[in-house]
Amino acid sequence: TQLLEQSPQFLSIQEGENLTVYCNSSSVFSSLQWYRQEPGEGPVLLVTVVTGGEVKKLKRLTFQFGDARKDSSLHITAAQPGDTGLYLCAGGLNRDDKIIFGKGTRLHILP
Amino acid sequence: GAGVSQSPSNKVTEKGKDVELRCDPISGHTALYWYRQSLGQGLEFLIYFQGNSAPDKSGLPSDRFSAERTGGSVSTLTIQRTQQEDSAVYLCASRQQRAAGETQYFGPGTRLLVL
Repeated sequence: TQLLEQSPQFLSIQEGENLTVYCNSSSVFSSLQWYRQEPGEGPVLLVTVVTGGEVKKLKRLTFQFGDARKDSSLHITAAQPGDTGLYLCAGGLNRDDKIIFGKGTRLHILP
Repeated sequence: GAGVSQSPSNKVTEKGKDVELRCDPISGHTALYWYRQSLGQGLEFLIYFQGNSAPDKSGLPSDRFSAERTGGSVSTLTIQRTQQEDSAVYLCASRQQRAAGETQYFGPGTRLLVL
């Protein structure tokens, strides 16, 4: 059973376009993280959200945690080739529990 | 150390051999995780150590997989009688404290290839 579903699995768009990727679950998470991973490296944390409805911005990236803490979205404005990578969401079911990862969205920005 | 380190960075082995993968977490981090990532896929949870509590082994795919954490620091993941389907990148992560929203820091991974 995949607790965290990410969509789309793959996305290829032109530089300058906007995009949104999603992370959905039927479970409630105490926290949710977004990571970006580049080939040959481990995932690098982008943001952590802990409060239902929370919105965080990181330059051109906007992260939102659903009100019920079951889902999240990542919106990228004016995508750049440097945004290319595998975007992973991960959730903690409670503060003592393991972190569950989704399968990721592979994003490719065409110059 | 400055970050999580893993060794070896690459390992090629023959089917049926045992392998040991090592993880050095960030000093002082109480929680340590092992994940497996197949080519182009997300992370599959394997095992989780938190302080002195019994580890959560619920993600280990078979009894050929085991892990230990000595002295609350270094961890070793052992795969016995390796199979070709064990080929993957094995990632280790650590985090500091028990609170919602704590950050996991990942090592660079060990790339295992079973021939």
